[in-house]
Amino acid sequence: AQSVTQPDIHITVSEGASLELRCNYSYGATPYLFWYVQSPGQGLQLLLKYFSGDTLVQGIKGFEAEFKRSQSSFNLRKPSVHWSDAAEYFCAVFITGGGNKLTFGTGTQLKVEL
Amino acid sequence: NAGVTQTPKFRVLKTGQSMTLLCAQDMNHEYMYWYRQDPGMGLRLIHYSVGEGTTAKGEVPDGYNVSRLKKQNFLLGLESAAPSQTSVYFCASEGVTREAFFGQGTRLTVV
Repeated sequence: AQSVTQPDIHITVSEGASLELRCNYSYGATPYLFWYVQSPGQGLQLLLKYFSGDTLVQGIKGFEAEFKRSQSSFNLRKPSVHWSDAAEYFCAVFITGGGNKLTFGTGTQLKVEL
Repeated sequence: NAGVTQTPKFRVLKTGQSMTLLCAQDMNHEYMYWYRQDPGMGLRLIHYSVGEGTTAKGEVPDGYNVSRLKKQNFLLGLESAAPSQTSVYFCASEGVTREAFFGQGTRLTVV
């Protein structure tokens, strides 16, 4: 069964500090990988995605993520966090041929201290 | 371009009542999904559809039914609402780029 793990439920960082949110998945094949962001009371917005090729992908709002096949990970990073980045972040995977559906992790709530 | 529209945005139901949530997308996407979001549990897939006339069960399908009679619409039904179905429901659609577009959510309370 598809499984996506986000081990950090809450993370607090200071504005201007760097950020890394962790995501691990458990499948035999390489899935399509995504990071979404959800602001309070809103739907989800795509930050970035990885399908194949360069394992470091750039997204919107200055975010990037690195796919590491050996670790089954797709961690999200940002060099300098802004107060407006406070939100909930979700990692998601899509496996073709494995039910063809989009599965989400449980999310990481990011708090930014000024 | 409206994207994905969910109706209603808020609803309060009494236990045992029924209701239908409507999701409409104008992007000609094949895939559509219904998720529920509960604190600490992320988004859990209820049902999904890979095209008009098709539906499939997700992770938590019990107590819900769906229909996809038209490509642009995906309906989620609760036949007999229970307090455990109090949640925020999100619909999403997905095209060939595999990017999912989400509606604004429906906040449902069952009392």
